[in-house]
Amino acid sequence: DAGVIQSPRHEVTEMGQEVTLRCKPISGHDYLFWYRQTMMRGLELLIYFNNNVPIDDSGMPEDRFSAKMPNASFSTLKIQPSEPRDSAVYFCASSFGGYSNQPQHFGDGTRLSIL
Amino acid sequence: AQTVTQSQPEMSVQEAETVTLSCTYDTSESDYYLFWYKQPPSRQMILVIRQEAYKQQNATENRFSVNFQKAAKSFSLKISDSQLGDAAMYFCAYRSASWPGRFGAGTRLTVKP
Repeated sequence: DAGVIQSPRHEVTEMGQEVTLRCKPISGHDYLFWYRQTMMRGLELLIYFNNNVPIDDSGMPEDRFSAKMPNASFSTLKIQPSEPRDSAVYFCASSFGGYSNQPQHFGDGTRLSIL
Repeated sequence: AQTVTQSQPEMSVQEAETVTLSCTYDTSESDYYLFWYKQPPSRQMILVIRQEAYKQQNATENRFSVNFQKAAKSFSLKISDSQLGDAAMYFCAYRSASWPGRFGAGTRLTVKP
């Protein structure tokens, strides 16, 4: 079975540009999570969806960040305008059930560098 | 808010020896799940072991086992017969109805040959 697929794997762009990160969850999973990983702050939960509906976006750092899930097989995380402090590895994860012993399955992450 | 604390930023172990990674958490909930994930340099997040809070028996997966102390809110990971391939970042994670994804800061494990 295919795992969680993220694209691109690496993204380098200049400050002020719009950045779009993409995620395809595992088929059948009803929860999707976006995380950001940095050395300083570790792994932070940004937002999560249940059945394509955003449930909690309290981790989104500011209005420059937005996430959508138009259908069960696709989600995007956008940053507009991007800033150097947004540089991090962004992970998408999916799971079956938000409250269960089923683990979150992670994609390989997108390493984002904002110059 | 629930917090997960990994107090050891770095740990080192000799190959074939045993190492224990610590994790504590703060919660007022009685029903939750705990996980340990491994992140090698490849950046993948790999599930190592899971524990249901309602189970008293400690989970075991081959060379990996946990010491779950619910009253103390402690969830440590023991790696026996350490191998070079065990070198990675290890994250402790908490999951409940109100917090579907809370991770600790991680512990970087080095395995010396």
